[in-house]
Amino acid sequence: DVKVTQSSRYLVKRTGEKVFLECVQDMDHENMFWYRQDPGLGLRLIYFSYDVKMKEKGDIPEGYSVSREKKERFSLILESASTNQTSMYLCASTVTGTGASYEQYFGPGTRLTVT
Amino acid sequence: AQTVTQSQPEMSVQEAETVTLSCTYDTSESNYYLFWYKQPPSRQMILVIRQEAYKQQNATENRFSVNFQKAAKSFSLKISDSQLGDTAMYFCAFMSPYNQGGKLIFGQGTELSVKP
Repeated sequence: DVKVTQSSRYLVKRTGEKVFLECVQDMDHENMFWYRQDPGLGLRLIYFSYDVKMKEKGDIPEGYSVSREKKERFSLILESASTNQTSMYLCASTVTGTGASYEQYFGPGTRLTVT
Repeated sequence: AQTVTQSQPEMSVQEAETVTLSCTYDTSESNYYLFWYKQPPSRQMILVIRQEAYKQQNATENRFSVNFQKAAKSFSLKISDSQLGDTAMYFCAFMSPYNQGGKLIFGQGTELSVKP
């Protein structure tokens, strides 16, 4: 079974703290994604990675950075957390190319509250 | 730019009845993929159904089927014989194979409540 795990289900941090959200997949997928989910806005792409050490900005990268040192792990970093980063964060992975289904597999999400 | 629109923020249906969730999208490409994802209260996002744009036949997965109208850029989800376990947030998503990384573009979501 395909599995994507995230380090925390719930996280409470203070304004200005550095926050790390970790995501691990066990499917040997090349592509990994970080989304932010807010009511009425759906899921918006923050960053994605198509290979180790490779990263691309998504639609809302401001205030975030990412790290992918190993194929199975993709980290989202909030350098200095702010209250407007209170949200649900979802990690996903997929494989692309000839014959691929392009289905993305999601982690259970991390609900981050910044106070 | 590619966009996905779900115009129904909330819907409800009685158990055992049929409900249709709407989705429209905008793209200039001819080859792409469309998805419906389900996010129940547990928050685990799972794939419900997938459609490839070059396939004329509408996709079906058990009680779930789609009405794919390529010219109208419409991709609705029909849930037959609704069950209490269908209560969830449903997201429509678009993917172009020409976009690097296989990234998805999501609609705003429709919250479906199935009532006993």
